Amino acid sequence: DTAVSQTPKYLVTQMGNDKSIKCEQNLGHDTMYWYKQDSKKFLKIMFSYNNKELIINETVPNRFSPKSPDKAHLNLHINSLELGDSAVYFCASSLIGAEGYTFGSGTRLTVV
Amino acid sequence: AQTVTQSQPEMSVQEAETVTLSCTYDTSESDYYLFWYKQPPSRQMILVIRQEAYKQQNATENRFSVNFQKAAKSFSLKISDSQLGDAAMYFCAYRSTRSGGGADGLTFGKGTHLIIQP
Repeated sequence: DTAVSQTPKYLVTQMGNDKSIKCEQNLGHDTMYWYKQDSKKFLKIMFSYNNKELIINETVPNRFSPKSPDKAHLNLHINSLELGDSAVYFCASSLIGAEGYTFGSGTRLTVV
Repeated sequence: AQTVTQSQPEMSVQEAETVTLSCTYDTSESDYYLFWYKQPPSRQMILVIRQEAYKQQNATENRFSVNFQKAAKSFSLKISDSQLGDAAMYFCAYRSTRSGGGADGLTFGKGTHLIIQP
């Protein structure tokens, strides 16, 4: 009964492909996030989303799009993958007004 | 925008000794949360300790404690009796309470790689 689960854990794909990473949380949290961790281990928020509001970090290319079919899921879709997209992507969730976050175990994306 | 700075890319400590990891941050807000996260080689992000800015008392979790200096915008992590399992990347993070805090997410420092020498 993993609290925040991401699939797949590893993803290797060619440049130009379109791919999705799935995220599900069973904590009843109302806000979900995507973070990117680059090769230097730096973590940066990409998106935050609750059922009312999507906030996009302005540095994120529009090839990246979050898709939320319901409150427990926030998938990340990436179009036209580039070499520079190679990174570890983390999903996380929280309750608005509460300070705690729960992270998924990450997806290592490698673009070749 | 808030920034978080960890000035020590790497630290090394002997097993059973005490080590302190530094973190400073910049914000114009008066209320916020601060966190230390641990990331072992498994890459899982593990919450170590959290501090609410309006609380003057420093947070403590077993061998982990913080020195929170609000005026200096400093939030250091002290690990006592270091164990081999403490070896990991440690990230300091800031979260605003603005708009409930949720939508802004966490702002992370660049991390400190902690090595434990047996």
